[in-house]
Amino acid sequence: AQSVAQPEDQVNVAEGNPLTVKCTYSVSGNPYLFWYVQYPNRGLQFLLKYITGDNLVKGSYGFEAEFNKSQTSFHLKKPSALVSDSALYFCAVRPNRDDKIIFGKGTRLHILP
Amino acid sequence: EAQVTQNPRYLITVTGKKLTVTCSQNMNHEYMSWYRQDPGLGLRQIYYSMNVEVTDKGDVPEGYKVSRKEKRNFPLILESPSPNQTSLYFCASSQGRLGEQYFGPGTRLTVT
Repeated sequence: AQSVAQPEDQVNVAEGNPLTVKCTYSVSGNPYLFWYVQYPNRGLQFLLKYITGDNLVKGSYGFEAEFNKSQTSFHLKKPSALVSDSALYFCAVRPNRDDKIIFGKGTRLHILP
Repeated sequence: EAQVTQNPRYLITVTGKKLTVTCSQNMNHEYMSWYRQDPGLGLRQIYYSMNVEVTDKGDVPEGYKVSRKEKRNFPLILESPSPNQTSLYFCASSQGRLGEQYFGPGTRLTVT
């Protein structure tokens, strides 16, 4: 079955340190990958996506993600974390253009002052 | 302002009482979708629509209905709600399947 995994329920990072939120997927075909962020009591907001081209994708709020086909991963990264980055992060994959989108279970990111 | 609106934001109802959650977008998007969010389960797609009069099931469609009579509106209908449909519901829209999805603010539904 096609799936996406966020192996960490929670990630704690000190403010100013680099952060990584992990995402791996198991799909056939050429996947389309997305990251969304959810702040408390809000809907999800788009951060970035990989469709094709450069494996390093830059998105909103200084975030970036690298598509690694051999490791089937699409980890979200930021060089220097801010307290305001504390939120729930979702990875999503569309296995092929016409397939349904699949969301991961989410990773809660805590940035410690 | 580009946005997706949902109403109501909060709803408490009883088992079996039909309800509708409305969703509207002002971006002329073709693709619209409904999700439910449950602790530990993330977001699961209920139904989606590629365009007017074109709808299809997501991963958890049982107990739900949708319609797409106009491009901007995509209501979610629970004909006979049950307690296991207590959840946080999100509507989203995008320009095509690969576009970034814009999410509504959510509807928290409690069925007693």
